[in-house]
Amino acid sequence: DAGVIQSPRHEVTEMGQEVTLRCKPISGHNSLFWYRQTMMRGLELLIYFNNNVPIDDSGMPEDRFSAKMPNASFSTLKIQPSEPRDSAVYFCASSTIQEGEQYFGPGTRLTVT
Amino acid sequence: QKEVEQNSGPLSVPEGAIASLNCTYSDRGSQSFFWYRQYSGKSPELIMFIYSNGDKEDGRFTAQLNKASQYVSLLIRDSQPSDSATYLCAESGGGADGLTFGKGTHLIIQP
Repeated sequence: DAGVIQSPRHEVTEMGQEVTLRCKPISGHNSLFWYRQTMMRGLELLIYFNNNVPIDDSGMPEDRFSAKMPNASFSTLKIQPSEPRDSAVYFCASSTIQEGEQYFGPGTRLTVT
Repeated sequence: QKEVEQNSGPLSVPEGAIASLNCTYSDRGSQSFFWYRQYSGKSPELIMFIYSNGDKEDGRFTAQLNKASQYVSLLIRDSQPSDSATYLCAESGGGADGLTFGKGTHLIIQP
């Protein structure tokens, strides 16, 4: 069974550019989570969806960040415009609503110069 | 604001010994607790979860939960060099809820 799939794995962009990160959850999972990991702040929840509906976006740092889940097998996290402080590893994770165990994708390492 | 506290380490344990990792959490309403292992440059890997007070064993791993003390621990028996990693403790309110993570404990198993 394929795990959570994320793309791209690495992204280097210049300040001010738009960045789009993509995630495909594990088939059959109906909850999807976006996290960000930095050395300073650790692993932080940004937003999560249940049945494609955003439930809690209180972790989204500011209006430059947006996330969508148009269907059960795809989600995007967009940063526009990007800033150097957005540099981090962004993880997507999925689970079923009934069970809390979340499984992580390989992550996208974002560098904004 | 929920908080999960872990000693950052490094925690150094000789091969074959028991490694003991600890975690405290701030929210008395927390229902579910998780231990993830993260190798450098890799994503977190779920190794144990526990929902009820007491012990839960899975192979060489034992998770312990004490809700009265707001304390979670992970024991790794017969530690191997391949267990060297950062161990992240996380909690949630239950079901499909977002996780609040600690900063992790860096574990080193010395051959």
